[in-house]
Amino acid sequence: EVQLVESGGGLVKPGGSLRLSCEASGFSFSTYSMNWVRQAPGKGLEWISSISRSSGDIFYADLVKGRFTISRDNPKNSLFLHMESLRAEDTAIYFCARDVYCPSTTCLAWGMDVWGQGTTVTVSS
Amino acid sequence: QSALTQPASVSGSPGQSITISCTGTSSDVGGFDLVSWYQKHPGKAPKVIIYEVTKRPSGISDRFSGSKSGNTASLTISGLQAEDEADYYCCSYAVSNTPVIFGGGTKLTVL
Repeated sequence: EVQLVESGGGLVKPGGSLRLSCEASGFSFSTYSMNWVRQAPGKGLEWISSISRSSGDIFYADLVKGRFTISRDNPKNSLFLHMESLRAEDTAIYFCARDVYCPSTTCLAWGMDVWGQGTTVTVSS
Repeated sequence: QSALTQPASVSGSPGQSITISCTGTSSDVGGFDLVSWYQKHPGKAPKVIIYEVTKRPSGISDRFSGSKSGNTASLTISGLQAEDEADYYCCSYAVSNTPVIFGGGTKLTVL
């Protein structure tokens, strides 16, 4: 079964750090580019970051640039999001999502066809 | 980069058809065939129902269809069913500091 499972969420104080993980199974992880998308309470979906198959291309939303770092470990079928300088407005459910397969090195916005169930991050004092 | 513009809500009766619009600019929706649509039920993960403007993933009903004209993309759901009641989001590539942008979401109510 194709599956993504996020972990690492929790309660953190403003200014703190957190590292989210996403473990993939049921498909060839190294063949797909990956994303992080979040949804704040009562709000819509917000794309955060994308990483290409070999980590050669990395993209961030302006809101998180310089504070968040996406990475992946292909042999361990894992995707990560390291978050620093967290703010109250970073409170959200964080989803990892697989891009549809594309022949390019980067499949940015081609479509996200597999999603995890999400992990909740709460930034509060 | 501003979010793409979607109506906050739409509604329809079972069996009817509805269309949800997603309006952007020539720097996003209008400039590229990279628009996708997601269905999200409360407490569940989003599910892609349309990608690359018109393509439907395997397992997605042909009641769902996508199109684009100029800077506006559209999602049409025909033969509305109770289980279609959900939030729907469009997403597009953008020539911007934030290269992937979502619409604000549309709540579909099946009357």
